[in-house]
Amino acid sequence: DQQVKQNSPSLSVQEGRISILNCDYTNSMFDYFLWYKKYPAEGPTFLISISSIKDKNEDGRFTVFLNKSAKHLSLHIVPSQPGDSAVYFCAARGTGTASKLTFGTGTRLQVTL
Amino acid sequence: EAGVTQSPTHLIKTRGQQATLRCSPISGHTSVYWYQQALGLGLQFLLWYDEGEERNRGNFPPRFSGRQFPNYSSELNVNALELEDSALYLCASNRNRESTEAFFGQGTRLTVV
Repeated sequence: DQQVKQNSPSLSVQEGRISILNCDYTNSMFDYFLWYKKYPAEGPTFLISISSIKDKNEDGRFTVFLNKSAKHLSLHIVPSQPGDSAVYFCAARGTGTASKLTFGTGTRLQVTL
Repeated sequence: EAGVTQSPTHLIKTRGQQATLRCSPISGHTSVYWYQQALGLGLQFLLWYDEGEERNRGNFPPRFSGRQFPNYSSELNVNALELEDSALYLCASNRNRESTEAFFGQGTRLTVV
C-alpha cells in the first residue's frame, strides 16, 4: 500500500526555468510533509517541510505547496540550477507510534544548460 | 557538529551470512530510523528506535532486527542474507520522537553475492 506517491520518475528542466515536483498521499493522518534531495552514493538531505495546517512554505528558491483537499503537495524550484540535478523524495510523517517518515519513490530532476 | 555516521560504507557478504550495520546519530538525538533503498526503489522504512526502545517496525521479515544502545547509537542486523537484501541501508536521526525532519547518514551499501 503506497501511501505516498511520486508518479513522475523523472523530470528535465532548463536552467533558469521553474521545476515543479509533485507528490500525492492517501493517509489524511499525516501531520508534516517534507522534501529531501539525494545525490548518488549519499544520504538524503532535508530541503523543506510544511505542516498540515499550512498551505505554503517558502525558503529561498524552494517553495512547497500543500492542497489538503486533493491530498497533493508540490515542490517548486525557481530558478532551477544545474546543481539541483538530483533525486527528490517526498516524505510524510505520521503521528504517535506511527511517527515515522513514509517516502515516495522519488523523482529524478535533471537541470540542463 | 558531526552528522549521522554509518559504518561500514560498503559491505560484501555471501548468501546465508549475517550482516551488522552501525549508526551513530547526531549528538543529542535520541531517535534513530533505518531505511532500505533497493536499486530503483524508494526508501522503505525498516525500524524506528527511540530512547532505547523499538517504536515501530516496517513490513520486513524477522531476520531484520536491531537495537539501540544507551548512547543512542544503533545496530541493524540482517540474518540469513538473501540476494535481494542487496541495497543501500540508510540511518537517520531525530532530536526526539516529536521532531519533524530526520537527518540521514551517507548509508551502507550492502552487496550479497
